[in-house]
Formats: sequence, structure tokens, C-alpha cells
Amino acid sequence: GDSVTQMEGPVTLSEEAFLTINCTYTATGYPSLFWYVQYPGEGLQLLLKATKADDKGSNKGFEATYRKETTSFHLEKGSVQVSDSAVYFCALSADTGGFKTIFGAGTRLFVKA
Amino acid sequence: EPEVTQTPSHQVTQMGQEVILRCVPISNHLYFYWYRQILGQKVEFLVSFYNNEISEKSEIFDDQFSVERPDGSNFTLKIRSTKLEDSAMYFCASTSLNLLANEQFFGPGTRLTVL
Repeated sequence: GDSVTQMEGPVTLSEEAFLTINCTYTATGYPSLFWYVQYPGEGLQLLLKATKADDKGSNKGFEATYRKETTSFHLEKGSVQVSDSAVYFCALSADTGGFKTIFGAGTRLFVKA
Repeated sequence: EPEVTQTPSHQVTQMGQEVILRCVPISNHLYFYWYRQILGQKVEFLVSFYNNEISEKSEIFDDQFSVERPDGSNFTLKIRSTKLEDSAMYFCASTSLNLLANEQFFGPGTRLTVL
């Protein structure tokens, strides 16, 4: 079945460092891809999305490009802030999966001042 | 901006008791979902619901679970006899198939604690 694999955390960075969180997927259909962020004690917030190959999703300085050839959707940010400390979930939704969202395991990011 | 709402935000119950978690999806959405997140773990799909019936369910969604859309606005998840391992955050989500991205809108979650 469809699945999402993302790099294990935690990831610890200093403020203003460059962030990459790797995400790869397996899907039989044509999925849409998402990154969700979960701040401590809170729910899931959609960070960005991409619906087809070569689309780039972006929001709040975060970016991810839908790469069909490598089945990847890596999350990047050029300069992280302490306020970016959270858990980041890569996810997909496909019509072959009844449109349910399938999540990766999550990557916890700590940013130090 | 329309949003999915969930009540209560936190529910504490004794093992063996029944609980009902409530959700109000976005009004023009057609598909509804429940997900579960055990503390510190990944978000897992439980069930999807369309046209007043379950369209898909996971292995987690056993006979102790049921869902219902009792009226035009609410979508509920019932756990008949709670177990300690049901302690988790439960998220409701909804989507409109008119959205190209198949994006689901998630509620803030209900934290269920089973003692």
C-alpha cells in the first residue's frame, strides 16, 4: 500500500542554520504531497502542499518540490528560527487510497538560540 | 475562514467506559475522517466516511469503534468500551473533492486519557 518514509529525528540545529528533512513516498496512484507541522501540545497545521510533479510548495520560508523521478518531497528552509521547533510530518493523499492522508513518522526539530 | 471543530478538547475516562468524540466538519465538505495519534507517535488513519456510510477503515478500527453523522453538521466517533491503549489524540478531518489537492482540513484534536 501507499507509504511515506521520512528521516528520523530529532534534528538539532542552531538558529539561522539550513534545514533539510528528507521525505520519500510510495504510491500506486498520483498523490498530492503535504508537509504538516505540529507545535508542542497542539494539532496539525498544513505547512505546504504540492499536487503534481515539479510543483514547489512554499510557506513561511519553507519549501518542498514534488520530485516524481525520485519519489521525494524534501522539506527545506534556508535559515531556521527558534520558533520553528516542532514536529514535521510528511504526508500524501491519493485517490487510490480513498483520499485518506497517510503520514510519515514525523521528525522532531529543535532549534537552539 | 471555515474550520473543523472538535469537542471536548480533553476527555478523561475510566477503562471500560464508553466515550463519544464530536466533530463539526466544514459545512460543504463531503468526506469525513478520524485519525489517531498515540503520544509521540505517527498519525494513523482510522476511518473515512462518505454518503452516510464507512468508505474505508483501518485494522485499528475494530468492533469497539463506530462513527455516525447524526445530523447535518456533527460527525462522531464512539468507543464502546475504552482500553488503556486507546489513550491518544484523536483528529477529525474533512475534505471536499472539489479541491484539486485532495487536501484534508484537520480539527484541533481531542486528547483522550483512559485511566
